[in-house]
Amino acid sequence: SQQGEEDPQALSIQEGENATMNCSYKTSINNLQWYRQNSGRGLVHLILIRSNEREKHSGRLRVTLDTSKKSSSLLITASRAADTASYFCATDATGANSKLTFGKGITLSVRP
Amino acid sequence: DAGVIQSPRHEVTEMGQEVTLRCKPISGHDYLFWYRQTMMRGLELLIYFNNNVPIDDSGMPEDRFSAKMPNASFSTLKIQPSEPRDSAVYFCASSSPLGGPYEQYFGPGTRLTVT
Repeated sequence: SQQGEEDPQALSIQEGENATMNCSYKTSINNLQWYRQNSGRGLVHLILIRSNEREKHSGRLRVTLDTSKKSSSLLITASRAADTASYFCATDATGANSKLTFGKGITLSVRP
Repeated sequence: DAGVIQSPRHEVTEMGQEVTLRCKPISGHDYLFWYRQTMMRGLELLIYFNNNVPIDDSGMPEDRFSAKMPNASFSTLKIQPSEPRDSAVYFCASSSPLGGPYEQYFGPGTRLTVT
């Protein structure tokens, strides 16, 4: 089964609102990453959080990691129409030797 | 840097034909990954290479799929014979641990349709 599973599957918000997306995983990890995919494009790396970190920021992005609950959240603040995309979490499991396992993704729609 | 380059961007072929997808990773990256993306199964890792050597091909669906990396700047994914269920978007990605652990750079993908 998928290592990372995102929640919700789809999210629709108004421009300017915050978007929160969650990811749960099953095994111990070295790090967890979030990627964005615009329609018809490849995935783009957004942010990486290591297993010994609890929170990380990058511009309007904030990622948290709770290894005791095996979960992560991605917060996009002050969303824009251009943030409309699919978002994936990917886990680098301990012992996976550079192999990432991706969830099925969250479709975010930001209404102008 | 041009990023990861994939060709062709779109491929339409008939069942039974051979299909070859191509990838040029980012210069200096020593890991190369092939993924397949479908609505039903999401993004699946097919195979990955390190320094041109296949490390894990456990995701390759069956013997009809094969991948090679003859040098550091080129890789191919071949399907022979192709079947309609192979229709998907195939992505190539590369990474280098020197640039940070395991962040992957994806190409634009090849959309394969097998009729």
